[in-house]
Amino acid sequence: NAGVTQTPKFRILKIGQSMTLQCAQDMNHNYMYWYRQDPGMGLKLIYYSVGAGITDKGEVPNGYNVSRSTTEDFPLRLELAAPSQTSVYFCASSSSYSNQPQHFGDGTRLSIL
Amino acid sequence: RKEVEQDPGPFNVPEGATVAFNCTYSNSASQSFFWYRQDCRKEPKLLMSVYSSGNEDGRFTAQLNRASQYISLLIRDSKLSDSATYLCVVIDGGFKTIFGAGTRLFVKA
Repeated sequence: NAGVTQTPKFRILKIGQSMTLQCAQDMNHNYMYWYRQDPGMGLKLIYYSVGAGITDKGEVPNGYNVSRSTTEDFPLRLELAAPSQTSVYFCASSSSYSNQPQHFGDGTRLSIL
Repeated sequence: RKEVEQDPGPFNVPEGATVAFNCTYSNSASQSFFWYRQDCRKEPKLLMSVYSSGNEDGRFTAQLNRASQYISLLIRDSKLSDSATYLCVVIDGGFKTIFGAGTRLFVKA
């Protein structure tokens, strides 16, 4: 029962470093999403994908990039990490059937120092 | 006006109490509705779907009022383990999912 798997679970970066947050799902979901959640705040959509090869920006895409080469994987790339990107990052997926709920990974806690 | 609005709380209730949360949404064409639960520093987890006729899952009851564009969640006989943030979620169609900011619940012994 893997569902949505995110790696790493924790990471500390220095300002200006880059990294990739990994997300994989084994439910054959076409739709995948990346969110960030700052302390005490709601979820903000960074990027989403409706299928392999198709991605689009969400509410807060600046400073991030994504790719979707397979149905299973949806990595999130941080270029030139900044302290404002300190947050918890959640990946989610949902079925391509309309109106289906999203299923979340357990998050990556990222600190930029 | 926000697309999905919730009272942020916190709601502080004693064990055994009944507590209700409301959530309003702005798009009258919204198609699907859910309640999620999020524990501190954890991922959101689907609690229940919300159907037009209302639905119940144990101590939890969800209602939808399309005319007034709100959904509600009622928790009966609150347990300490119900302490969490409850997120209202609306799907406008297809894959556009909108999360409310959440309502915090603290259940006290």
